Amino acid sequence: NAGVTQTPKFQVLKTGQSMTLQCAQDMNHNSMYWYRQDPGMGLRLIYYSASEGTTDKGEVPNGYNVSRLNKREFSLRLESAAPSQTSVYFCASTGAYYNEQFFGPGTRLTVL
Amino acid sequence: AQKITQTQPGMFVQEKEAVTLDCTYDTSDQSYGLFWYKQPSSGEMIFLIYQGSYDEQNATEGRYSLNFQKARKSANLVISASQLGDSAMYFCAMRERPVSGNTPLVFGKGTRLSVIA
Repeated sequence: NAGVTQTPKFQVLKTGQSMTLQCAQDMNHNSMYWYRQDPGMGLRLIYYSASEGTTDKGEVPNGYNVSRLNKREFSLRLESAAPSQTSVYFCASTGAYYNEQFFGPGTRLTVL
Repeated sequence: AQKITQTQPGMFVQEKEAVTLDCTYDTSDQSYGLFWYKQPSSGEMIFLIYQGSYDEQNATEGRYSLNFQKARKSANLVISASQLGDSAMYFCAMRERPVSGNTPLVFGKGTRLSVIA
């Protein structure tokens, strides 16, 4: 039981490059989330998926797209990376009745 | 307006002493949940404690307790008998109605706690 896994752990991109951050959970959770963490800003919601087949924008969705591939997987795509997207990205998931949101280990992304 | 306010960017506490980390929240919902997470220097997010808005008693988990004052809209985290391993960033978060799995958490900006030997 791995919980929430994210790949890659680290990534360096050049401005304008694209990439996809992968997230998977093995807890049969309905809801999944993508957050970004910047110094002094806490965690801010980018997108979330309340259930398989649905996605919704969060507080800071510009420059990102998401795909809920199936119940287990929720990916985050940067189509044209910008230096402002340098951040640590966390994926998380929650079951229907749980009072805890489980987090992945994070992806540290640097855009040059 | 910020939904979650943590007014202490940094705190110091002597080992074995108790410390209170402040958190105030803003919501018009009657049903909501309040969370505290710990983020050590290694970066992972560790769930500490949860308080539901209808819970009459303050939540406790080992050395962690949540001082819930509903009328003041505050949910302070109390860590008793601080240990060096408690040095970390601490985040307060809220989940608004419906209090079910699919509502995202809203986080405060965090408080960095340093425990001194």
